[in-house]
Amino acid sequence: DQQVKQNSPSLSVQEGRISILNCDYTNSMFDYFLWYKKYPAEGPTFLISISSIKDKNEDGRFTVFLNKSAKHLSLHIVPSQPGDSAVYFCAATVFGSYQLTFGKGTKLSVIP
Amino acid sequence: KAGVTQTPRYLIKTRGQQVTLSCSPISGHRSVSWYQQTPGQGLQFLFEYFSETQRNKGNFPGRFSGRQFSNSRSEMNVSTLELGDSALYLCASSWMRGEQFFGPGTRLTVL
Repeated sequence: DQQVKQNSPSLSVQEGRISILNCDYTNSMFDYFLWYKKYPAEGPTFLISISSIKDKNEDGRFTVFLNKSAKHLSLHIVPSQPGDSAVYFCAATVFGSYQLTFGKGTKLSVIP
Repeated sequence: KAGVTQTPRYLIKTRGQQVTLSCSPISGHRSVSWYQQTPGQGLQFLFEYFSETQRNKGNFPGRFSGRQFSNSRSEMNVSTLELGDSALYLCASSWMRGEQFFGPGTRLTVL
């Protein structure tokens, strides 16, 4: 049973436009959510996170939105740049645990 | 600060053998977690160690084991390797709950 789902395996976006990556979760115990970016042959790199007590968190070009009632979060990248092309993973964790539960990732391609 | 390091980066083994992978966390990080990444299953949690104690374990068979040393360095061991164990094994360290810092991974190929 997949508790964190990223339903879009891939996404293509023109450079300068907005990229929106989506993530759904089923476990209502999750209280902290993270987005990671991964290039081939490298480990995932932390991008941004959000606690369940917030509905939005911003860091430069990256904004994460959390809709608890819908059990849905999204990552917005504005403006998208070719260097953003990578696989993006959504992850979640339960209070008191260091275990991250990951989605299967969305491959973002930003076209120059 | 140096990042998380993992050795070796690549490994080829045959079925039935065993393998040990090593991870050095970021200095000051006492929690080390291990994940397996495969194309079909994505990133799956193996186990987490904190101050030499395993605090959490994922849904993997007993062939997968690990340990942590007093300097927070960690090793994971897979015995009786199967073809399905071919994967990228990632180690992550953290000093608090939330953000984890990942190493580059060890690519294990089982023939």
